[in-house]
Amino acid sequence: GAVVSQHPSWVICKSGTSVKIECRSLDFQATTMFWYRQFPKQSLMLMATSNEGSKATYEQGVEKDKFLINHASLTLSTLTVTSAHPEDSSFYICSARDLLKGDDYGYTFGSGTRLTVV
Amino acid sequence: SQQGEEDPQALSIQEGENATMNCSYKTSINNLQWYRQNSGRGLVHLILIRSNEREKHSGRLRVTLDTSKKSSSLLITASRAADTASYFCATDQGAQKLVFGQGTRLTINP
Repeated sequence: GAVVSQHPSWVICKSGTSVKIECRSLDFQATTMFWYRQFPKQSLMLMATSNEGSKATYEQGVEKDKFLINHASLTLSTLTVTSAHPEDSSFYICSARDLLKGDDYGYTFGSGTRLTVV
Repeated sequence: SQQGEEDPQALSIQEGENATMNCSYKTSINNLQWYRQNSGRGLVHLILIRSNEREKHSGRLRVTLDTSKKSSSLLITASRAADTASYFCATDQGAQKLVFGQGTRLTINP
């Protein structure tokens, strides 16, 4: 149980275009989802907290207009990287927690999206 | 930065040996969690220890937590080649927000 599906697994796009990444909770409802960014051989940095039916909460230093988050349903959050540039190339990962399960289950992560902007 | 520190950054051991990774953090926490990440993949939750717990076991994993020192350790006993991965500690600081450590890259040599 508590499966999170993330698509696409990888994407290559041209500079200036936008890319949408989807994160779905398959067998539970997630009122809150989290988006992380990870550079090679580095840790995960929380970018924003996605809230179903309301605006996302962005971490300090993360551009809201660059990274658009939409959480329109209890099972889907999307991250859109707008006007992508090579410096946006990174590994993006989403996560969520099934609140009906106890803390011991921790958070469930998607398999990540490797974005390369050329 | 709120991120914690992990050491060592990289660890290479022989199969069958034990592997110990350490994590330090900076603020008060609700719990501390350990995750594994295989190269280029998402994270898998391994174990959670609450702030009022000192030690916890799960299979070949043993986690300790010292809140006075703001540190935790993860011990993997009888390591296997399949344990090769990066290991991250993450602190739950409230509001469902996880703050990750820098990670330890573990390599198990056959």
